[in-house]
Amino acid sequence: DAKTTQPTSMDCAEGRAANLPCNHSTISGNEYVYWYRQIHSQGPQYIIHGLKNNETNEMASLIITEDRKSSTLILPHATLRDTAVYYCIDPDQTGANNLFFGTGTRLTVIP
Amino acid sequence: DAGVTQSPTHLIKTRGQHVTLRCSPISGHKSVSWYQQVLGQGPQFIFQYYEKEERGRGNFPDRFSARQFPNYSSELNVNALLLGDSALYLCASSHAVGPLHFGNGTRLTVT
Repeated sequence: DAKTTQPTSMDCAEGRAANLPCNHSTISGNEYVYWYRQIHSQGPQYIIHGLKNNETNEMASLIITEDRKSSTLILPHATLRDTAVYYCIDPDQTGANNLFFGTGTRLTVIP
Repeated sequence: DAGVTQSPTHLIKTRGQHVTLRCSPISGHKSVSWYQQVLGQGPQFIFQYYEKEERGRGNFPDRFSARQFPNYSSELNVNALLLGDSALYLCASSHAVGPLHFGNGTRLTVT
């Protein structure tokens, strides 16, 4: 069962920042939040993960609230190739690679 | 470096038949996980193997089995296929901890 809540869909204008929210209110203190995306007909692609502090890499930035109950994935300058389903994941507490993907947010970047 | 490779890319089987799907992980990755993705839904965890040992199993019937070989490649086997087994089967590899790297999957159609 998915332990995160995300909007079903979002639109973003090309060149603008895309801000994708995620609620993970049941996350425990030592669990990382992971973000993946899945472009049509491809396997999921890892984007970024974080524990407490904000993180940035070449793909995106991740802002995590101080209480760790929610986070926002930021794509600073969205392109048409960023159109995909974005999954926010709270890993299973068993320690296995058992990721609950849920249904994610379908981001459509509009020209 | 080559990513996760899966074979075949597409497969059509008849109800009651058996299928074997194959996965080669990224070089250096000792963990392989299998996921099932039904159309319109997020991927669902089936198995994880690490160092040839099963580390986790999702809520799938015993018709589903897997194994990992000494070179860390893996096979997923499904017996007595049902129409509902039609899906995209994804393999992901990783180090012991850290993000999963997915292949582009095997599209299985059961008729």
